[in-house]
Formats: sequence, C-alpha cells, structure tokens
Amino acid sequence: DAGVIQSPRHEVTEMGQEVTLRCKLISGHNSLFWYRQTMMRGLELLIYFNNNVPIDDSGMPEDRFSAKMPNASFSTLKIQPSEPRDSAVYFCASSPYGGDVGDTQYFGPGTRLTVL
Amino acid sequence: AQSVTQLDSHVSVSEGTPVLLRCNYSSSYSPSLFWYVQHPNKGLQLLLKYTSAATLVKGINGFEAEFKKSETSFHLTKPSAHMSDAAEYFCVVSETGGGSYIPTFGRGTSLIVHP
Repeated sequence: DAGVIQSPRHEVTEMGQEVTLRCKLISGHNSLFWYRQTMMRGLELLIYFNNNVPIDDSGMPEDRFSAKMPNASFSTLKIQPSEPRDSAVYFCASSPYGGDVGDTQYFGPGTRLTVL
Repeated sequence: AQSVTQLDSHVSVSEGTPVLLRCNYSSSYSPSLFWYVQHPNKGLQLLLKYTSAATLVKGINGFEAEFKKSETSFHLTKPSAHMSDAAEYFCVVSETGGGSYIPTFGRGTSLIVHP
C-alpha cells in the first residue's frame, strides 16, 4: 500500500487566495483526521471524520476553513480566503477501524503551506 | 477529560548513551497511550502503543515504554541512542468510555543526539 497521500507537498500562495489541500486515505481505513502543525502551537487537530461523517470539527479555526469527504477514500481541506497566519504544515492521518480508542493513526507526509 | 504533558521540550544525549523521554497523562477512563516519532520534514510514525495489555511495551528501533498507572506516566526509553534517533517525539493519550475517542497529542520532545 502506498500509505496516506497528500498533495500538494508544498504550496505558496498570496493572502486572499483560495487554497485546497488533498488527502487520499489508505484503502479500507474508516477514519480521517486533519492536523495543523506550527512551531508556536504544535500539532492541532482540526477535524475528524468517521465513515465520511464529520464527528468533531471544534478545532477548525474559523469559517474560512472547510473540510469534506466526498467519498470513503478522499478528503479536501479548503481555506478561503487564506491569510499569512494560516502558514503551517498540514497533515492528514487515517486509521483503520474508526471509534476504536487503540487505533493507530497513519500520517501522510504533510503539505507545507506558505501564505504571503 | 484527557491530557498529556511531555516534561521536556528538548533532550540532548550522546550517541551510545541511554534515552529517556518523559510523559505524564491524565485520563478519566482507561486510556490508550502512544508514542509517535517525526523525523525532519516527514509525517508522524507510530513507535509503540499501550492498550491495556502488558504494561511494558516494546516498539520499533529498540524503543520501549512502561505504563505506570500509579504515577500516570508513560516514559519512553532506549538503552543506546543512535544518530538516526534524532527527531521529534510525541506522546499521545486516547481514552475509552464516556468521552471522545479523539486522541490528544503532547507538545513534543526534540531528541538531539551528539556524536
């Protein structure tokens, strides 16, 4: 299996532009997590899906952020409009069973976003 | 509610010496505990996990951790550090029953290995 795939790996954009980050889950996994990592705030959970349904989006910073799972294997995280403070590395992670407290998360390589 | 505290933001060791990365947790229920490692410019990778079986857990690359309920700790150890161990390490807690399944990550400990 190729593991969790994220694209693009790097994104540089200007303030006010729309940014879309993409994630392909490992085949057969039921849960999907989006994280943001910065030096100042560490690793923050943004949103968590189980079986394509958003379970907890309390970590989504504000209305400028939205996430979707159009099917069981794919997710997008959109920022519109982007701001310089959104600059971070964004990770998605999938896990096999969904709702199992002992589930391992499998992380993608991340997307490094820079908003100028 | 669950929380996790990594007691050191940085740990510096010499190659060949033991490694100790400290983690304390708080959980209202029976927790699962994890250690993940992140090498520079990479995603996180599971090192080991505790899920209410044996309290001494062995992971990849010679790492192990011991779950101590009385001390609410889950410290990560390795007998002899290697240069390739230099990375960021995250302790994670997830609890079952009542609360949310969502795991909580610590702030991370940066392990520096000197030749």
